[in-house]
Amino acid sequence: GAGVSQSPRYKVAKRGQDVALRCDPISGHVSLFWYQQALGQGPEFLTYFQNEAQLDKSGLPSDRFFAERPEGSVSTLKIQRTQQEDSAVYLCASSSGTSLGEQYFGPGTRLTVT
Amino acid sequence: GENVEQHPSTLSVQEGDSAVIKCTYSDSASNYFPWYKQELGKRPQLIIDIRSNVGEKKDQRIAVTLNKTAKHFSLHITETQPEDSAVYFCAASRSGGSNYKLTFGKGTLLTVNP
Repeated sequence: GAGVSQSPRYKVAKRGQDVALRCDPISGHVSLFWYQQALGQGPEFLTYFQNEAQLDKSGLPSDRFFAERPEGSVSTLKIQRTQQEDSAVYLCASSSGTSLGEQYFGPGTRLTVT
Repeated sequence: GENVEQHPSTLSVQEGDSAVIKCTYSDSASNYFPWYKQELGKRPQLIIDIRSNVGEKKDQRIAVTLNKTAKHFSLHITETQPEDSAVYFCAASRSGGSNYKLTFGKGTLLTVNP
């Protein structure tokens, strides 16, 4: 079946603009995660949803970052008033939510803030 | 919170040699330890994982060992091939990883020279 998909794959934003990044998880997966991967680094956790409930947002770096998953499937990560330090690859992962489930990653969105 | 250290940051081997990457973790509640392979510009892909109720797991040329007492785990790749060249990330998580965030190491760039 189809894997996790993300759009857009690349986004260039001028500093101060708002951006919205979309994640389509694997169908039926209840758990959805967002990670931020800076160049040359490992992914870092941003936020976690179980169905439509945002259970953990401890990794969001500031109140400019907001995520939602209103119907428990597609998720959107929004960044307001982008800054240069927001430049990174934003990865989405989904999981079945069962005790033996693994996290499957999407291809990511590369955000460049100029 | 959890902290994962990974060594070495770069590793260069000759084709056919073995490669070993080591990670340590700090959270004694972590019970799931996946390894991801990430090729340049691609998504992280799970290559093997281990849960804290076993000490070793093997899948063809890849094996992972876990020492819960010492809080460290290692990836072993035997008979390396040029297509093994990539960045490898270790990670740790609670609750089997399906419903909890992954904490990643900083990655190891493995180069297999033909």
